[in-house]
Amino acid sequence: QVQLVQSGAEVKKPGSSVKVSCKASGGTFSSNTISWVRQAPGQGLEWMGRIIPILGITNYAQKFQDRVTINADESTSTAYMELSGLRSEDTAVYYCARETSSPPLGVVFDYWGQGTLVTVSS
Amino acid sequence: SSELTQDPVVSVALGQTIRITCQGDSLRSYYASWYQQKPGQAPVVVIYGKNKRPSGIPDRFSGSSSANTASLTITGTQAEDEADYYCNSRDSSGNQVFGGGTKLTVL
Repeated sequence: QVQLVQSGAEVKKPGSSVKVSCKASGGTFSSNTISWVRQAPGQGLEWMGRIIPILGITNYAQKFQDRVTINADESTSTAYMELSGLRSEDTAVYYCARETSSPPLGVVFDYWGQGTLVTVSS
Repeated sequence: SSELTQDPVVSVALGQTIRITCQGDSLRSYYASWYQQKPGQAPVVVIYGKNKRPSGIPDRFSGSSSANTASLTITGTQAEDEADYYCNSRDSSGNQVFGGGTKLTVL
């Protein structure tokens, strides 16, 4: 059974950066794809980007392209999402999720972390 | 703005059938997956691919697709099905995108 455990809540100042971790267990981490999804208070889900650790490939949503960095440490089966230039609108719950191919024409986010609340406030 | 469009709010009487839809051009080429989210919880996948249900998801949940529209159908809706539902698929750049979500109220 795959489990994704995220780091704890953060409070950050505008203009600063936050780094959220997502530790995987129960699966083969390197061959997985890990995506990051955020949800602002009372709002919907928003895909931010993904990493395929075994290939070192990342893809980012255009909206976050200039501010987000996703990386992974295969030795600890941990993925990281760093968001810079924080503003109040970045206050949200950030989730990691395992993204699995669903042939022939789709993907599924089959396991999710518990979420990490990031609050941006002066 | 989302490239996948969902009705923001729908309601259904207890025990009745409800269809939640998701529209977008990418759905002509890619299957949608559907996620149920209850307050304070992480999303849970209920349908993916060509009408596949993960283990543990009741068979009252089903999915279908036609042209640019994907649908999630709940047959014999139960009180515990009250939740937000999100569709997901690829966008025009090949990345993933979520619909805006549908809040389902069970009357």
